Amino acid sequence: SAVISQKPSRDICQRGTSLTIQCQVDSQVTMMFWYRQQPGQSLTLIATANQGSEATYESGFVIDKFPISRPNLTFSTLTVSNMSPEDSSIYLCSVANLFETQYFGPGTRLLVL
Amino acid sequence: TQLLEQSPQFLSIQEGENLTVYCNSSSVFSSLQWYRQEPGEGPVLLVTVVTGGEVKKLKRLTFQFGDARKDSSLHITAAQPGDTGLYLCAGAGGSNYKLTFGKGTLLTVNP
Repeated sequence: SAVISQKPSRDICQRGTSLTIQCQVDSQVTMMFWYRQQPGQSLTLIATANQGSEATYESGFVIDKFPISRPNLTFSTLTVSNMSPEDSSIYLCSVANLFETQYFGPGTRLLVL
Repeated sequence: TQLLEQSPQFLSIQEGENLTVYCNSSSVFSSLQWYRQEPGEGPVLLVTVVTGGEVKKLKRLTFQFGDARKDSSLHITAAQPGDTGLYLCAGAGGSNYKLTFGKGTLLTVNP
């Protein structure tokens, strides 16, 4: 399985600011995804990060709030924009090759005050 | 929209007991994955089941995929405190590579 790292591992931010989370994989992968996990909850897919094109967002998530980049097959970023306390969550990236199992990064724990 | 019902949501047992976690859906999945997540970490893959009726064993953990590929179960024998964590099932459907997650089962094994 791929080795996935995320930066930062945790952060405390003020409302109204933005935070960019990085996801790095040690090998090229076809698919990269971003999830949100609110405290005590399961995972909710935010979007699929597409290399060289705009991300594909799930219902309830929009590009202005969660802009995503994927410049190559090993790296992606998720920005949480204009944060509010409701954005306090764990943000997880995952990777997969087509139709194969998804593997998850360690997550970024975000607290918005 | 595919839904995956996972039960129970919470489970607190004593060391040595057995337990079963269930995932059920009205939808057919091409594969189903089970993950375990410990506090402060990302989900770690335990197993992927692909074939209807498939049974996989991982030490004290037994995973089963229903014949119709709509449901799955995880059985833990002689649970240990190290089994404590959030167990998540996730189904993949057809040509859609996205996963549908269950709500998770928070397991606590008391020594």
